[in-house]
Amino acid sequence: DVKVTQSSRYLVKRTGEKVFLECVQDMDHENMFWYRQDPGLGLRLIYFSYDVKMKEKGDIPEGYSVSREKKERFSLILESASTNQTSMYLCASSRRFSSGNTIYFGEGSWLTVV
Amino acid sequence: AQRVTQPEKLLSVFKGAPVELKCNYSYSGSPELFWYVQYSRQRLQLLLRHISRESIKGFTADLNKGETSFHLKKPFAQEEDSAMYYCALTRNQGGKLIFGQGTELSVKP
Repeated sequence: DVKVTQSSRYLVKRTGEKVFLECVQDMDHENMFWYRQDPGLGLRLIYFSYDVKMKEKGDIPEGYSVSREKKERFSLILESASTNQTSMYLCASSRRFSSGNTIYFGEGSWLTVV
Repeated sequence: AQRVTQPEKLLSVFKGAPVELKCNYSYSGSPELFWYVQYSRQRLQLLLRHISRESIKGFTADLNKGETSFHLKKPFAQEEDSAMYYCALTRNQGGKLIFGQGTELSVKP
């Protein structure tokens, strides 16, 4: 069974704090993604990575950074959290060349910034 | 620019009624299109993709390149179909998905 695991399901952080969201996949996938999910806006891509130490900006990278030191792990970093970053964050992974392009999602991390 | 539009935020139907969730896209080229579903308290998961031309849980979707649409249909809605549905496109295998805004389907008894 494929698995994308986000270690923190619910977090409450203060404005200005540094926040780490961790994601691990056990499928040996090359691609990993961070999305942000907001009502009425759908899912918006923050960053993605197609290999270790490689990263590309998505549609809304401002205020975020990422780290991919190992193939199975992709971290999202909020350098200085702000209230407008209160949201649901979804991690996902996929093979680089896969039939049908299936992307697997984690359960999500609810982040509240107060 | 690549874009996916789902015009309905909420669609409410009664059990047994037909349902159609609309999806329109803009893309210059040949995209791959998908429907993802998120049931309450569950992770987002793939429902179906246009290249497979499959029917999953009674749902079908036909790609209409002339109208740039990929509407999701089911002839008889069930209460367990209540969920959030997202249309998405990508231009290459394994690549990043571009999502629509999502449509919440509510099937009433």
